[in-house]
Amino acid sequence: ETGVTQTPRHLVMGMTNKKSLKCEQHLGHNAMYWYKQSAKKPLELMFVYNFKEQTENNSVPSRFSPECPNSSHLFLHLHTLQPEDSALYLCASSQWTSGYNEQFFGPGTRLTVL
Amino acid sequence: AQSVTQLGSHVSVSEGALVLLRCNYSSSVPPYLFWYVQYPNQGLQLLLKYTSAATLVKGINGFEAEFKKSETSFHLTKPSAHMRDAAEYFCAATPEGNEKLTFGTGTRLTIIP
Repeated sequence: ETGVTQTPRHLVMGMTNKKSLKCEQHLGHNAMYWYKQSAKKPLELMFVYNFKEQTENNSVPSRFSPECPNSSHLFLHLHTLQPEDSALYLCASSQWTSGYNEQFFGPGTRLTVL
Repeated sequence: AQSVTQLGSHVSVSEGALVLLRCNYSSSVPPYLFWYVQYPNQGLQLLLKYTSAATLVKGINGFEAEFKKSETSFHLTKPSAHMRDAAEYFCAATPEGNEKLTFGTGTRLTIIP
């Protein structure tokens, strides 16, 4: 595997289900990100992890719970979601330095909440 | 706060014609700037980036962008469009020393045969 991988690629869940999205980066990076991409809206940054520590929580509802067990893996745990949470969830990673921040993206998980 | 504006949510050009996608940023200090492309059912792929070196930046697939500080712009161009260029394009910016990217709303490029 190379780059940033995400599983599953597609997920359909009911509002009472609990599921998890997984992201893995094979680039040796030290920062990882979750984004939400909805139709007709800019990409929304949800969470940032830098050296496994959460450095950003962009007012995300508590029904989304991130977990970063190490610098290569990032999870997004989902529970009691709403239909408006249906979107493409993108994971990204970067090598955080004091300069610029080039992010590498995974293919995304298409989530549908019924 | 940093913001990025992409004029035109949809752009259509004929195959072989010039592609011009517009991006303006708001910042008193020029940020680092990026163009990403997203093909259907895929994640975002970096096309090119401006990191305060040359103002004319060349990227992959024949695209280039010019940083113009006086206009706070970073427009993306390609001299001759190809059918495979049909995709959504995102402009993004980040201040120096910041781990977060601010994205524009995206421009969907359609190529007319």
